[in-house]
Parts: sequence; C-alpha cells; structure tokens
Amino acid sequence: DTAVSQTPKYLVTQMGNDKSIKCEQNLGHDTMYWYKQDSKKFLKIMFSYNNKELIINETVPNRFSPKSPDKAHLNLHINSLELGDSAVYFCASSMGEDQPQHFGDGTRLSIL
Amino acid sequence: GESVGLHLPTLSVQEGDNSIINCAYSNSASDYFIWYKQESGKGPQFIIDIRSNMDKRQGQRVTVLLNKTVKHLSLQIAATQPGDSAVYFCAEALMDSNYQLIWGAGTKLIIKP
Repeated sequence: DTAVSQTPKYLVTQMGNDKSIKCEQNLGHDTMYWYKQDSKKFLKIMFSYNNKELIINETVPNRFSPKSPDKAHLNLHINSLELGDSAVYFCASSMGEDQPQHFGDGTRLSIL
Repeated sequence: GESVGLHLPTLSVQEGDNSIINCAYSNSASDYFIWYKQESGKGPQFIIDIRSNMDKRQGQRVTVLLNKTVKHLSLQIAATQPGDSAVYFCAEALMDSNYQLIWGAGTKLIIKP
C-alpha cells in the first residue's frame, strides 16, 4: 500500500486555469506538507499543516492554498496558473514536526 | 537567507567502494539534520537523520557524521551498489522555525560497474 499518494501524477494545463492536486496519507501522521521542486531539483517548502496550525512559507503566492478535509488529506489548490508554476509538487507527511517526512511520488505540473 | 549547500554536484563511485557525500550548512543554530535519496521519477526517500546533540549515527550500510565546529554533515554509504544511484539531499532544520526543512542542492551519485 502506498503510504503517501498524490493525484494526478501528471497535470498539463493552460495559463490562467485553476487546478487542484490531491494528497492522501495512510500513515496516521499528524503533519502534512507541500513542496515545490524546480527544474534544478531544488526543493522548497510551501506549507506545513497539522490539526492545529497552518504554516505558510511567506514566499508562496496567495494563488496557492492548501485545503485539508481531514487529517489524512491535504490538497493543494492553485488559482490563475502561471508559467512559473511549472514544477514537480511533492506532498509529504510526518508523525511530528521534528520527525522524518515521508514523500509521495510527486505531481509534475506543466503550464502551456 | 540561511541555506544548505553541497560540495559536489556529481559523485562517481566504483561499485563495491564506499561513498562519501558531503554537505555544508550555514546556520549554527540548526538542531536537526536529515539525508534523503531521490530516484528518478520518485519522491525523496528518508535515509537517516541526526540531532545536534550527536556527532555520529549509523544505519544499515549508512553513517551520518555531524561536525558542528565546521558546520559540516556527511553521508557515508558502505559497499555502494547499483541501487544506490540517485540524487542525495541533505537538509537542516531548527526548532525555532518549526523544524521546516531547508534543503541543499543535491548530489548525484553515479555507480560505475
């Protein structure tokens, strides 16, 4: 069974559209994350979220918003997509903030 | 801002030899360090972590060394195998920043047959 699963694996869309990426973890973890990995493989935290607190990286545009329907899910919604949003987006989860994070296999977003 | 860097972007190692991947970090207040392996088309996979109150930690075929004096972190992989081919990332974090990971640029490990 996949511990952290993301859908879709590939997402190709046009500039200006709104899209969502779903993430689910079956590890019973309390904390979930979203990362962006650019073409140079550089990973950057976008959000971390647990039952109590959403921590937003201040550099993330407000077009990006995480939505958590329950503890096992943290979806990423993106409004008005721009060319610079093209990247691989990773979801992760952990037992706690100071514990190892477990990653999904990523969603490759391509903006035309 | 603070960042974590890697000395070598690519490392080629003969199969069976030991690999050493190095990482420099800039924030002396960081108290948590972690290594990940990322294979092509996959997400980062946790290898080993270490806290600042330790200077060495061992796992299965891997050892992480932390030198706080020079702010240096290394990952040693014993008896490197073809399956070890991947990009390796180090990351640092500190409690005051909610342990948000700050990632290095990655080192690509290539195994020569």
